This record gives sequence, C-alpha cells and structure tokens, in this order.
Amino acid sequence: TQLLEQSPQFLSIQEGENLTVYCNSSSVFSSLQWYRQEPGEGPVLLVTVVTGGEVKKLKRLTFQFGDARKDSSLHITAAQPGDTGLYLCAGGRNYGQNFVFGPGTRLSVLP
Amino acid sequence: GAVVSQHPSWVICKSGTSVKIECRSLDFQATTMFWYRQFPKQSLMLMATSNEGSKATYEQGVEKDKFLINHASLTLSTLTVTSAHPEDSSFYICSAQTTRLGEAFFGQGTRLTVV
Repeated sequence: TQLLEQSPQFLSIQEGENLTVYCNSSSVFSSLQWYRQEPGEGPVLLVTVVTGGEVKKLKRLTFQFGDARKDSSLHITAAQPGDTGLYLCAGGRNYGQNFVFGPGTRLSVLP
Repeated sequence: GAVVSQHPSWVICKSGTSVKIECRSLDFQATTMFWYRQFPKQSLMLMATSNEGSKATYEQGVEKDKFLINHASLTLSTLTVTSAHPEDSSFYICSAQTTRLGEAFFGQGTRLTVV
C-alpha cells in the first residue's frame, strides 16, 4: 500500500516555466521532507517541514506543509535545467521508524 | 546538513561471490540506519532497518540470509550481499537518521553489477 502519492509522476517543461509538485497522504506525519535525486547519486535533502501550514523557501523553491500534516507541495519558480531530477517526498514518523517515501516526480527542464 | 558516506560507489563482481557495502555517518551518531534498493527510474524500496547493537528488521520479501546487515557502531552499518547473482544488480542506498527532527541523510549510493 502506497501511503504517499505524488503527482505528477513525470513532468517535462521549458526553462523559465513554473511548476508545482504535490505529495498527498491519508496519514498524518510528524514531519515531511523533500529530496532531489540525480542519476547515479543518493537523494539530497532539500527541506524538512514539521508544522502544519508551514511554508519554507529555498531560493526559487517554495515548500508548504498542509494544515493537517497530511500533504505537501513543492513549487518551483522559473525552472532551470539544473532543476532536472527525481523529486521525492518522505513522511517522517517517530525517530527510529522508517520514512515513507512517495513514488517520486521525475522533472525534466529543457533549455 | 549531516554527511553520510557510502563505499564503494560502484562494484562489479562475479556471480556467486559476496560484496560488502559500508555506510558511515561522518559527523553524527546514528542509532538507526536504513538500506534501500532502487531500480532504474523508480523510487526507493526499503530493504531493512538497521539498529545499532541489535538485529536488523527486514521488509517482507527481503531475504535476511542473503542481505546481511551489521550495525556494530553508532557510525557504521554494513550490507553484505552474499552469493550474488545477476538479478541482485541494482543501486543500493543507505540513510542515517539524526535525532534532530528525525531527518534522514543519504549516502551517495552503490551501483552493484553482478556478472
């Protein structure tokens, strides 16, 4: 059973466009993390959100945690080819428990 | 962020041999580490949870006798793929969890090719 859903699964856009990736669940998480993974490498942590309704910005990336802590979104403004990669959301529970990973959104930004 | 080092980055081995992959947390102690397997263009699949000083917890369908996990210290966990076969070829990734917010940081992954 996939506890975390991500949409879209694939996205191909032109440089300069904006996009939003969604991460949804029926479960409540104590925290939610977003990672970006490039081919042949491990995922790199982008952000952790822990408070319902929390919004964090990382340059052109804006992350939001839903009020009920069941969903999250990642918005990228003016996408660049360097943003290309697999974006994974992961729901955290208690320490020592595995993160629940979404299936990922594969983003391709064309120059 | 915290640093997790995984070694080797890639390895090619003959069918029937064993391969050991190391996962180290360089600047923090991790009582819990996780081992994942990732197939091309897919998300991470959890194989097992490694707890320092105790037996690992394996996910359903993962053979514990084939994928041996040892977490002997607070900074090191190892995954040994025993009697490797071509179908074991994959990208293996470890992560270590910090106590602060429970954040997980990943190693760079190990590309295993069994020929």
